[in-house]
Amino acid sequence: RKEVEQDPGPFNVPEGATVAFNCTYSNSASQSFFWYRQDCRKEPKLLMSVYSSGNEDGRFTAQLNRASQYISLLIRDSKLSDSATYLCAVIVLFSGGYNKLIFGAGTRLAVHP
Amino acid sequence: EADIYQTPRYLVIGTGKKITLECSQTMGHDKMYWYQQDPGMELHLIHYSYGVNSTEKGDLSSESTVSRIRTEHFPLTLESARPSHTSQYLCASRRQGYDGELFFGEGSRLTVL
Repeated sequence: RKEVEQDPGPFNVPEGATVAFNCTYSNSASQSFFWYRQDCRKEPKLLMSVYSSGNEDGRFTAQLNRASQYISLLIRDSKLSDSATYLCAVIVLFSGGYNKLIFGAGTRLAVHP
Repeated sequence: EADIYQTPRYLVIGTGKKITLECSQTMGHDKMYWYQQDPGMELHLIHYSYGVNSTEKGDLSSESTVSRIRTEHFPLTLESARPSHTSQYLCASRRQGYDGELFFGEGSRLTVL
C-alpha cells in the first residue's frame, strides 16, 4: 500500500463548479500536510499548507481529518486556469527522529467552458 | 517566483554518454533535492543534500551521483546514460525549518536513445 494515495482523476468539471479532492495517508505519525499544483509538463508549486484547524485561501479550502487520515482540497467557482494536477504531500516522522516528505501521484483536474 | 534554475531544460542524448544536469539556487537554501518524475507518476526522491559536502541517496535507487561543493550548486551526473534513464529530473530546495515547502526548478527532461 502506498503511503500517500490520491484518485488520479481526471475530474472534468464546468467553469463555476465546486470540486473537492481527497488524499489519504497511511502513517498515523504523519505530521505536516501540503497541497501542490503542477501544470502540464511544469514543475510543482506549493499551493497551500494544511493546518489542523483547516485553512482557506480565496477559492481554495484545505482540511485535515486526522481520525480518518486524509486531507482534502476544495476549489470553489472553478476557473479554466485551475486545470492542473494537484499533488498532496505529507511529512512522516520516523523513529530515530528523521522525517520524510512523501508526495502523492496527484489528481488531475480539467475545467471546461 | 522561485530563484532555482536548471539546465538543460531538454536533452536528447545517445546511450553511453556522460551527462550532467545543473541546478543552482540563489535563495541561500541549505537543503537541496533531486526528484525523478515520469508522466502521471509520483515524484521520487533520488538524492538530497543538507549542506556543503553533504549528500545522501534518496528512496529511489539511481545510478546517478551528485555533489555539493557550493551552497548554491547541486549538479547531478550520469556517467553512462541508458534509455531507462529517460525521465524528467526536478531539482528543489527549501529553507531550514520549512520541511514541506519546496521550491522546484523547471526541470530537465532527459531522453536517452
